[in-house]
Amino acid sequence: SQQGEEDPQALSIQEGENATMNCSYKTSINNLQWYRQNSGRGLVHLILIRSNEREKHSGRLRVTLDTSKKSSSLLITASRAADTASYFCARLPGASNTGKLIFGQGTTLQVKP
Amino acid sequence: EAQVTQNPRYLITVTGKKLTVTCSQNMNHEYMSWYRQDPGLGLRQIYYSMNVEVTDKGDVPEGYKVSRKEKRNFPLILESPSPNQTSLYFCASSAWTGDQPQHFGDGTRLSIL
Repeated sequence: SQQGEEDPQALSIQEGENATMNCSYKTSINNLQWYRQNSGRGLVHLILIRSNEREKHSGRLRVTLDTSKKSSSLLITASRAADTASYFCARLPGASNTGKLIFGQGTTLQVKP
Repeated sequence: EAQVTQNPRYLITVTGKKLTVTCSQNMNHEYMSWYRQDPGLGLRQIYYSMNVEVTDKGDVPEGYKVSRKEKRNFPLILESPSPNQTSLYFCASSAWTGDQPQHFGDGTRLSIL
């Protein structure tokens, strides 16, 4: 499948704990992006990391990229109940000239108060 | 406020009755795209447009049409809807082809009976 693999599929943690989600892919990338989707809503962009970058931060979010292992991870620190959502990685293939993002299946995160 | 607006948000209709889902963005983005989201299949691209009068097929274009007569609008047309087009649809836009984050609308939930 072209789609990336995300794991875990579902994650349940207590408020204040950290959450880590992983994304693996099979072919080269131009960039990899993480999105959040609250139930019944559209996707919201979180972070974009380019193929020549290894780590990016945004607030409580940290994304790492290992192109040799073809994998990325999203870490949410000090989670809050409001972080409950589905999280998707989406990659832009390296050879793409169409702008088409290939989305993973997503990780459903539940943060319990 | 920068946004992508889709209408309608919800629609229940019958097989064969032509329908149009509108999408409008106010960010002067060149790139626009339509996705459908189905359980177990993730997000799949239907059509995309790199600029006015430039459109092309994504992964699942069968049964859909699009047009891009103006930069801000990118309607999705179902000429003869069928039950297998029951899905959650998202429109997205971005400033450039893949190198920029995509901005998503809130989605349109279509039910074709």
